[in-house]
Amino acid sequence: DQQVKQNSPSLSVQEGRISILNCDYTNSMFDYFLWYKKYPAEGPTFLISISSIKDKNEDGRFTVFLNKSAKHLSLHIVPSQPGDSAVYFCAASEGADMRFGAGTRLTVKP
Amino acid sequence: DSGVTQTPKHLITATGQRVTLRCSPRSGDLSVYWYQQSLDQGLQFLIQYYNGEERAKGNILERFSAQQFPDLHSELNLSSLELGDSALYFCASSPTDRADYGYTFGSGTRLTVV
Repeated sequence: DQQVKQNSPSLSVQEGRISILNCDYTNSMFDYFLWYKKYPAEGPTFLISISSIKDKNEDGRFTVFLNKSAKHLSLHIVPSQPGDSAVYFCAASEGADMRFGAGTRLTVKP
Repeated sequence: DSGVTQTPKHLITATGQRVTLRCSPRSGDLSVYWYQQSLDQGLQFLIQYYNGEERAKGNILERFSAQQFPDLHSELNLSSLELGDSALYFCASSPTDRADYGYTFGSGTRLTVV
């Protein structure tokens, strides 16, 4: 039961360009959406979130967009930096229930 | 250091054995969540405890059990281990029983079953 899907296992971008990571979900009851970043040998760390009542949330170089009608969210990183290279997990929650996607490995090339 | 402590960091054991993974949540957090990450898989939710009580259950096998103690630390018990149980097990904590504020994850326990 994959309620949250990240269809791109990997993404490679040039330093300074935009990185766009995508996520789709199936459960219309999800009311909060989050992105986590994970480096090797570490646990995921919270990056940015958005409530279902909004369609955009910005935090520095990171912006999350939510399209409820399409059940789609995306994370934009501008400009991308080599230190952004990591696995990014999309997550969606309803109350205490949080579901994660399989992750997208982002590689930012210098 | 995220504030969530997981021990041990690595564990190697044989099939059929039983192990216990331990998690100390971030100070002040009442909820503890356990997740399993197998190779190339996303984070699979196993179980959540809030202030000592089981609050939500995910894809947790019957061979697995967990509990949260009065001091809020949690233990995940895995028994009759199989090769397929080899995975990273993450613990996360949050202040409430909702996910709105995001979770704080520990660095995980890597379990290898041989």
